[in-house]
Amino acid sequence: AQSVTQLGSHVSVSEGALVLLRCNYSSSVPPYLFWYVQYPNQGLQLLLKYTSAATLVKGINGFEAEFKKSETSFHLTKPSAHMSDAAEYFCAVSDDGNYQLIWGAGTKLIIKP
Amino acid sequence: DTAVSQTPKYLVTQMGNDKSIKCEQNLGHDTMYWYKQDSKKFLKIMFSYNNKELIINETVPNRFSPKSPDKAHLNLHINSLELGDSAVYFCASSQISTEAFFGQGTRLTVV
Repeated sequence: AQSVTQLGSHVSVSEGALVLLRCNYSSSVPPYLFWYVQYPNQGLQLLLKYTSAATLVKGINGFEAEFKKSETSFHLTKPSAHMSDAAEYFCAVSDDGNYQLIWGAGTKLIIKP
Repeated sequence: DTAVSQTPKYLVTQMGNDKSIKCEQNLGHDTMYWYKQDSKKFLKIMFSYNNKELIINETVPNRFSPKSPDKAHLNLHINSLELGDSAVYFCASSQISTEAFFGQGTRLTVV
């Protein structure tokens, strides 16, 4: 069965520093991969998705993620953190033809002034 | 125009009561979902409907019953509410294997 692991339930970075949120999945076939963001008291919003096209995916708000099949990873990065990036981030994977998204446990991103 | 809307946004009720949460999507998607998010932010899928047909029914108490009158609506009815039902419930919709679009959530507090 598919699983998604997000390393670090909390990640703290200084404003202006690099953001790196880690996501690893277990799959023998290339899946569809997603990153979502959840701001306080709001629903989940899609940041970006990988659907077997380019391995480097650009999303909203300056975020991007790279699909690495050899490492079964889909880490999320942003070159320079902003205070408004403070939120919960979720990685999710979907097998082709599957109705169900498999979710990671989430990583809370904390931005220090 | 809201893509996935759910009502109410907040729901405070006493133990033992019955309550419903409504969800509507105007994206033309075939699949709709109910998720439960606990206090630790963990997302757990509860149900999924595709074209009004139940396709995912995870292990949830029988007190939870989804109903899809048409493919644009998926409601959640909860009987005999318990303290442990307190959580945020999210409705979502998607086409198969594509991203899900989420509603704003319903924060249910059982007292």
